[in-house]
Formats: sequence, structure tokens, C-alpha cells
Amino acid sequence: GESVGLHLPTLSVQEGDNSIINCAYSNSASDYFIWYKQESGKGPQFIIDIRSNMDKRQGQRVTVLLNKTVKHLSLQIAATQPGDSAVYFCAEILTSGGYNKLIFGAGTRLAVHP
Amino acid sequence: SAVISQKPSRDICQRGTSLTIQCQVDSQVTMMFWYRQQPGQSLTLIATANQGSEATYESGFVIDKFPISRPNLTFSTLTVSNMSPEDSSIYLCSVGGRGSFSGANVLTFGAGSRLTVL
Repeated sequence: GESVGLHLPTLSVQEGDNSIINCAYSNSASDYFIWYKQESGKGPQFIIDIRSNMDKRQGQRVTVLLNKTVKHLSLQIAATQPGDSAVYFCAEILTSGGYNKLIFGAGTRLAVHP
Repeated sequence: SAVISQKPSRDICQRGTSLTIQCQVDSQVTMMFWYRQQPGQSLTLIATANQGSEATYESGFVIDKFPISRPNLTFSTLTVSNMSPEDSSIYLCSVGGRGSFSGANVLTFGAGSRLTVL
């Protein structure tokens, strides 16, 4: 199918700890993946992306890992801060009808406690 | 990346009425995408709107229920017709943007329009 799912619906962490948000995807033909962050009352905001020919990509305080063997993505946030509290979505690019469209996963709510 | 403005930001609607959501982009874009986000859930693509052609709807969404206009390269509207409480959702407009890799299409989203149908 075209679904992208997540293992954990909610995640609570202490400020300063590292967070790991997981995602499973089902479309083995997908070659591009994106993580989005959605804060309350706002639209999703791009965090980081990765191509299928990569297994790791690092940004500022964030790392995305891709395991194509088991069709698994993860987003690691280092030294989690209160401002990281949001819902995080993984998404995959699906080419259909001659154009690319984004298919979103279920989302994980990250709650950061002081 | 493009700046997207949506109106209204929120509204409370009566059952059986229709509401049109407007999406304005600060740059010309070929394709615009409309998503629905039901309460506590993920985003689901409703349709893709190309300027000058009819919108392409995803499975489960039909033009009679969600008519879309795309009169120019910076504007689109989505109408939610004959609303029921099940249509209570956030409706988001998005446009493509450049990701980190050549050819990668990263969507930029508006803040969304939160509709509550009573």
C-alpha cells in the first residue's frame, strides 16, 4: 500500500535528553523521505530530508537514519529542548500520475518536560 | 521558501452549509496541494491543483464535495460543501519547494484553516 506509519504515538522526554522518533514505511519504491515538525496551530515545517541511497544524514541537533532493509526511518534529536515539543511526521515521496506527492505517517507527539 | 496565507484561519460552521478556503502564495507556483488533517491525526492529500486544468483528486475525495479553483499561479480555493460534523478538520494548502537534493520536492505549508462543523 501507500501508507507510512509510526511505532510510537507519544513520546515524553526530559529536557536535555536525546529523543528518538521512529517511523515505518511500506512503499519500497520510495526514494526520498522527509521529517516534518508541527507545532500547535501551525502547519508542518520541514526539518530534514534523506534520499534512499543514504543511511544517515545530520542536521543541527537532528539526525535521520534510514534502514531500507526493514523500511524504517528514525529521527534523533540531541539535547531535547522545550521548543522541540510538537508533533513529528515522517513522509515519503510517491510518484503517481506523473507527479510527486507526499504521503504522511501517523505522527508522534513529543512532550519535553523540564 | 514560499510564504502561504490562508483564510479563514478558523471558522465555526453550521451543518449543511459550504465554506470556501482561500490560499494565497507570495510567488508563482505550478502546483498547489490541499490536505486535510482530522483532529489528532495525520495529513491526508485531498487533491492537487494545477493552474489551468482541473484538480486531480485522491481516492475518497470528489469534486462535488471539495471543489477547487486555481485561477492563477498564486491563488487557489478549496470549498467544503454541504458540511457535516465529520468535516471538522484543519485544511492545509501547500506548495512545492526545493529540498536538500536536486529534484526533491519538499512541501511548504500554510498555517491551515481549522473548521468546526456543528
